Amino acid sequence: AQKITQTQPGMFVQEKEAVTLDCTYDTSDPSYGLFWYKQPSSGEMIFLIYQGSYDQQNATEGRYSLNFQKARKSANLVISASQLGDSAMYFCAMRELNRDDKIIFGKGTRLHILP
Amino acid sequence: DAGVIQSPRHEVTEMGQEVTLRCKPISGHNSLFWYRQTMMRGLELLIYFNNNVPIDDSGMPEDRFSAKMPNASFSTLKIQPSEPRDSAVYFCASSPGDRRDGYTFGSGTRLTVV
Repeated sequence: AQKITQTQPGMFVQEKEAVTLDCTYDTSDPSYGLFWYKQPSSGEMIFLIYQGSYDQQNATEGRYSLNFQKARKSANLVISASQLGDSAMYFCAMRELNRDDKIIFGKGTRLHILP
Repeated sequence: DAGVIQSPRHEVTEMGQEVTLRCKPISGHNSLFWYRQTMMRGLELLIYFNNNVPIDDSGMPEDRFSAKMPNASFSTLKIQPSEPRDSAVYFCASSPGDRRDGYTFGSGTRLTVV
């Protein structure tokens, strides 16, 4: 069974510092995709970044990068130069590409950026 | 594209009443998902459709919940009768055929059952 674990329920970070949000996963499917979503206080779910299990390089999207360590089954999100607008809930998620279309989400980490 | 459109944005209803939530997926997306979000349980997948066919409804909590997708551009999630514990934010999301693509979520429906 697939499983996503986010161990940090909340984090406080000073503005302009880098942030690492932890995510570990468990799956028996060798082909899978990892996703990060942001949910600001307004409630919408915003897709941030994707990493495929066979991708050779870590994914990057602007200030977001994914620290993918396959052997450790971890997919940490790194936000560089944090901004006040980064304050939100962040969800790690996974889809088993050989199995079905479901994406399973972790419990989330609430990030607070301090001015 | 207008994105995934959900209606209503907010719904307040009395216990025992029927509630219908609506979703219009992005045109061309062939998978549609209904999620429920609560503080206690986080994001739970209720049901998903592929090419309008229900594929997995194992997350539907009980028989009071039902979902339909009569065509590629419309889906409903119905709760009958509603109970206070159904209060949550219900999200609809759609996805194109490639599983490497993430979902696009709607804005959600905040349901309050009193």
